[in-house]
Amino acid sequence: AQTVTQSQPEMSVQEAETVTLSCTYDTSENNYYLFWYKQPPSRQMILVIRQEAYKQQNATENRFSVNFQKAAKSFSLKISDSQLGDTAMYFCAFMNLNNDMRFGAGTRLTVKP
Amino acid sequence: NAGVTQTPKFQVLKTGQSMTLQCAQDMNHEYMSWYRQDPGMGLRLIHYSVGAGITDQGEVPNGYNVSRSTTEDFPLRLLSAAPSQTSVYFCASSYGGRGANVLTFGAGSRLTVL
Repeated sequence: AQTVTQSQPEMSVQEAETVTLSCTYDTSENNYYLFWYKQPPSRQMILVIRQEAYKQQNATENRFSVNFQKAAKSFSLKISDSQLGDTAMYFCAFMNLNNDMRFGAGTRLTVKP
Repeated sequence: NAGVTQTPKFQVLKTGQSMTLQCAQDMNHEYMSWYRQDPGMGLRLIHYSVGAGITDQGEVPNGYNVSRSTTEDFPLRLLSAAPSQTSVYFCASSYGGRGANVLTFGAGSRLTVL
């Protein structure tokens, strides 16, 4: 079974600085998708970024980018120019082609003014 | 645009009672799924469906039943609620499964079983 590990339960960053959230996963499959979701206090799950495993190029979405290391099974999220609105829980997630989706336990990020 | 609608938002049950969490989407999405979120843990997949008449088990299916009689609706049934089922439940949908399309999540339903 696939597992997703987020080793940083909590992190903080000063406004305007850069922070990296770590995620590792375990799978024997070659094709799959990886995601970062944001969950603010409103509890709504919001997709931040998505990466297809067959694409070597790292995905980027404005201030958010990933460092995808397939051989190492690592999928970290970098947030540049952190904003107060980035304060939230961040979940790393894995989905295989059989729709088996697994989430990490989350990292609580606090952006300090 | 309604998106994914979950009802009720809050529910308190006694042990042994049954209830159904409703999930409806108006986006003609083929793929629908249910997750539970417990403190200190990420979301865990309970059941999912890739189309009307098709359902499958996820990571934690025990104690839950689902059916998919229409494309729009994917109810989650608790036949005999247990305190271990106290959690926040999320429904999500997408055009197709397999991660190729972005999941749209509902707002969540908080269930407490006493």
